[in-house]
Amino acid sequence: GAVVSQHPSRVICKSGTSVKIECRSLDFQATTMFWYRQFPKQSLMLMATSNEGSKATYEQGVEKDKFLINHASLTLSTLTVTSAHPEDSSFYICSARTSGMIPQYFGPGTRLTVL
Amino acid sequence: GQQLNQSPQSMFIQEGEDVSMNCTSSSIFNTWLWYKQDPGEGPVLLIALYKAGELTSNGRLTAQFGITRKDSFLNISASIPSDVGIYFCAGRALSAGGTSYGKLTFGQGTILTVHP
Repeated sequence: GAVVSQHPSRVICKSGTSVKIECRSLDFQATTMFWYRQFPKQSLMLMATSNEGSKATYEQGVEKDKFLINHASLTLSTLTVTSAHPEDSSFYICSARTSGMIPQYFGPGTRLTVL
Repeated sequence: GQQLNQSPQSMFIQEGEDVSMNCTSSSIFNTWLWYKQDPGEGPVLLIALYKAGELTSNGRLTAQFGITRKDSFLNISASIPSDVGIYFCAGRALSAGGTSYGKLTFGQGTILTVHP
C-alpha cells in the first residue's frame, strides 16, 4: 500500500518552455501532497505543500509564479515549471499523505534537464 | 526554524558489519521517520516512530525515538551490499498552533557504502 507514482521520470526541455510533472497516489487518497527539489548528494528541499482543493503553500524563496502547483483531486497533483531555465535543472520529488497519516510516501522522482 | 543534524555524513563499511547513524534536533519532535534513497529514486520509508522511547525493528533495521524527543538513531545489523544508499532521518515538530500540514524536516543524509 501507499504507492505514489510520478510522470515523467525524465524530461529534457529547451530553455523558455514549460514542463508539467504529475504526481499520483495510486492506492490512497492524498489529502496533502508535497513537492521537493533535490540537488546531487544533498537533502530534500521542500518547495511547497498543497491540500486538495486549496491553493498551495510555498516555502520561503520559492517563486509561486514559476512553480505552479495544482492539487485538483485526492489522487493527483501537478507541478508546472514555467519558462524553465538551466538553473531549474534538478531532481523533483513529490510525496503524499492522507488525513490521519503522518508519514509521507514519496514518488520515484523526475529528473528535469533544461538545455 | 527546526534544524536536524544527521551523522555521520558518510560511512564505508565491510559487508557483515553493523551500522549506526543518528539525528539530533534543536527542538522537540513528535514523530521521527527514517527513509532510504537509492540513486535516482525517491526515498522509501523504513521505520516510523511516534512515542518517546519507542524502539521499532524492521528486519535488520532498528530505530529508536530518543527519550528527550530531540534525537533518534537507526541501526543496521549484518550489512549487505544492497544496503548501499542514502539514509535520511525526518522529523515532525510539535506545532505551536494551527496546522503544519504535516511538514517534515529532513536531515542531511548519511551515505552508506558497503564493500563486499
